[in-house]
Amino acid sequence: GEDVEQSLFLSVREGDSSVINCTYTDSSSTYLYWYKQEPGAGLQLLTYIFSNMDMKQDQRLTVLLNKKDKHLSLRIADTQTGDSAIYFCAESPNTGFQKLVFGTGTRLLVSP
Amino acid sequence: NAGVTQTPKFRVLKTGQSMTLLCAQDMNHEYMYWYRQDPGMGLRLIHYSVGEGTTAKGEVPDGYNVSRLKKQNFLLGLESAAPSQTSVYFCATSPTGGFYEQYFGPGTRLTVT
Repeated sequence: GEDVEQSLFLSVREGDSSVINCTYTDSSSTYLYWYKQEPGAGLQLLTYIFSNMDMKQDQRLTVLLNKKDKHLSLRIADTQTGDSAIYFCAESPNTGFQKLVFGTGTRLLVSP
Repeated sequence: NAGVTQTPKFRVLKTGQSMTLLCAQDMNHEYMYWYRQDPGMGLRLIHYSVGEGTTAKGEVPDGYNVSRLKKQNFLLGLESAAPSQTSVYFCATSPTGGFYEQYFGPGTRLTVT
């Protein structure tokens, strides 16, 4: 079945690195995604990784993919208070239509 | 361009009342989705549409109906609201193609008392 799991909460101090982890179940996903939800808003695509890659870096963001363990992580370097949000990982199982399966979301709280 | 808009933003219903949530998009996307978001459960897919005139059930369709009479609009109906339908509802759209980026509306917060 399709199941994406994340820890619910992470608290860090401003300037530290944040690492948000995710495990997924469907190895057929072509892409894996990280979405960000700011308070009172809908989700926005933050970054993604193609399933044949191990790592992707995008400014302060680093995505690591371990296909063997079906483990995805998002590292945010030099975390800022503006990074406080809920972060969702998502897989795109090969079901014949464009479907995303979202994790439970990790609430990141950045304190000054 | 407005992107994806949702109407209303907030609503309080009594048990048994009905209502319709409207999602409108101006991006000419084929795919549209309705999700509900509940604490600790992430987003769950209620219904989706792969094009004008088509709808299909998602993960949690019971108690909801949908219609997609026009490409740009996707309506979510609650015929007889229940407290278990208290949630934040999000509409999303995506173009066809291999990359599944979804574009989300701002959400509708619904409380059923």
